[in-house]
Formats: sequence, structure tokens, C-alpha cells
Amino acid sequence: QSALTQPASVSESPGQSITISCTGTSSDVGGYNYVSWYQQHPGKAPKLMIYDVTNRPSGVSNRFSGSKSGNTASLTISGLQAEDEADYYCSSYTSSRSVVFGGGTKVTVL
Amino acid sequence: QVQLVESGGGGVQPGRSLRLSCADSGLTIRNYGMHWVRQAPGKGLEWVAVISYDGSNKWYADSVKGRFTISRDNSKNTLYLQMNSLRPEDTAVYYCAKGQGPYEWGAMDVWGQGTTVTVSS
Repeated sequence: QSALTQPASVSESPGQSITISCTGTSSDVGGYNYVSWYQQHPGKAPKLMIYDVTNRPSGVSNRFSGSKSGNTASLTISGLQAEDEADYYCSSYTSSRSVVFGGGTKVTVL
Repeated sequence: QVQLVESGGGGVQPGRSLRLSCADSGLTIRNYGMHWVRQAPGKGLEWVAVISYDGSNKWYADSVKGRFTISRDNSKNTLYLQMNSLRPEDTAVYYCAKGQGPYEWGAMDVWGQGTTVTVSS
């Protein structure tokens, strides 16, 4: 149950786009379309942003999008806004019938 | 609307036990798989355990297997986490989270506010 690999931090100016990668193996990210992304502001509970690789829950801005290629999933945030500054975590279902999270990426809006 | 409220956290000595509860104050969680996820101070999210909608399937992270037990009482719309043989490394905020479907796969679409567990002598 090794954690999925995410970059520790990403920074960009308002209005620009960023992409956060999430690398796993064929036993998790590459093997299932059950990749999710969560946003967490300091001191708050996580919030689901993307589920099943590409789907957005109702109420989540369409500036957030997800994709997957092989063992790597990605979250793209377009038109970056100050309120997007937060920690982002990917997660995946695994072949051992467990869930694994990524280490988290801190997004800074410059 | 599902609203999850955790309780039962607190300070405890190593080797002791604690039971966390997660109650649904909105609609009902009885049709959904339920997870526990924890976050150590300053660290990332760590999945702990999941239970299917009817309690028939339970799965655990290796770090808690044999020490923690997840259970549910659907008549009370409540999820539990029995934590035994606690270790300092179990210190974390513990979140309960509702799955999107009845089983162990799928995203977690509703989260509680978390309850803090501190294991220290």
C-alpha cells in the first residue's frame, strides 16, 4: 500500500492553468477508473472535486478537470483563482480492495 | 442531505483503546459504503478502513489491521471504529466519509468534520 506519487507543491499566477500529476501502478491507478481528487483547505475536511477519473460532482466548478493515462492520473485547474489555494490529494481503489492516497500537493496562487 | 458528525476522540495512553462514532444527522447512510480516513499532524491523508453498506465486507490498511475494527449499526445510522493497542503513530484527526456506492470502491463524497485522537504517555 505505497502512497501514490504527487508533486509536493505547484505555484502559478491567477488566471493561469496548472496540472497536478498522480502516479501509481497497474494495481491501482492504472488498473481501475476509480481515481478521485480532493481539495483540503487548512483546518477543514477534504472536499471531493473529481471522481471516477473525469467526473465532477454537482457544484464543483468546471475549471477543474481530470484525466488518466496509463498509471498516471492528472488534475487540471484552469483560470486559477485565489480560492483554489489549498492542498490537493488524489486517491485510487487498489487490487487489494483498499484505497490509497497520494502524498498531497500544495497549490499556491502567486 | 447527509451530514456526518464524528465523536469519541480524545487523549489516551499507548496500548489503550478508544471507540470512535460517526452519526448521520441528515438522510441515511445505510445504503452506502463508509470509510475512516486519518490525517496525522502536518501530514497527508491516510485511508484506514472501509465497510460495505450491509457490514458484510470490511477492509483495512496494513498499518491498523488486527488492531482496529470498523463496524456499523444501520438501525442507528451510525458508523464505528474500535481502536485497540493504540500507538503514538495513531495520533491524528480521524474523518468518517461516505462512499458514493454500496461497496468499498468509488469516491468519498461526504466527509465529517473530524475528531482528534492523541496517543501519548
